[in-house]
Amino acid sequence: KNEVEQSPQNLTAQEGEFITINCSYSVGISALHWLQQHPGGGIVSLFMLSSGKKKHGRLIATINIQEKHSSLHITASHPRDSAVYICAALSYSGGGADGLTFGKGTHLIIQP
Amino acid sequence: DAGVIQSPRHEVTEMGQEVTLRCKPISGHNSLFWYRQTMMRGLELLIYFNNNVPIDDSGMPEDRFSAKMPNASFSTLKIQPSEPRDSAVYFCASSLAPHQIANEQFFGPGTRLTVL
Repeated sequence: KNEVEQSPQNLTAQEGEFITINCSYSVGISALHWLQQHPGGGIVSLFMLSSGKKKHGRLIATINIQEKHSSLHITASHPRDSAVYICAALSYSGGGADGLTFGKGTHLIIQP
Repeated sequence: DAGVIQSPRHEVTEMGQEVTLRCKPISGHNSLFWYRQTMMRGLELLIYFNNNVPIDDSGMPEDRFSAKMPNASFSTLKIQPSEPRDSAVYFCASSLAPHQIANEQFFGPGTRLTVL
């Protein structure tokens, strides 16, 4: 079973700071998913990536398949970015799903 | 589009009772997922369906849990009998995917279940 580790577990930063959240996994994957969970509990899919980099607004996600590592960056952070960020690793075997393993999440607080 | 709809939003029940959670996926999506989230274990995939057929139920914790998808617009997750350790938030998500789960998923608001 894939082991997915996120760091840091908790992060408090000031508005405007550049934020990096890391995700490492133990077994090769076909794709990695970044999710955002708002303080109210709602979950939003941010990125699904299998190589390289993706950008959406102030959010950037990168993945290094060889190093089994992904990062989520937030530029010019804002209090509304305060949320829990969760990464999930997708493994495949023979075309079906071996499983979807989630990290425990990074609790981000951006102070004004 | 209304997004993924889950009901009820909150459920409080007593140990031993049957609990049924409901989900309506986004129209046109052909994959549906049930997740459970607890403080201790985080998010866990319980089961997922593709074209109404269960594809992977390896995450279902026990025989007390069962899930059905009788048609493309409705799914249920049933716990019978319920136990206090089943207390969690249960999320349903849907996506447009041919046969795998590597597509963007849209999550419902979740059902917060408390078993006393």
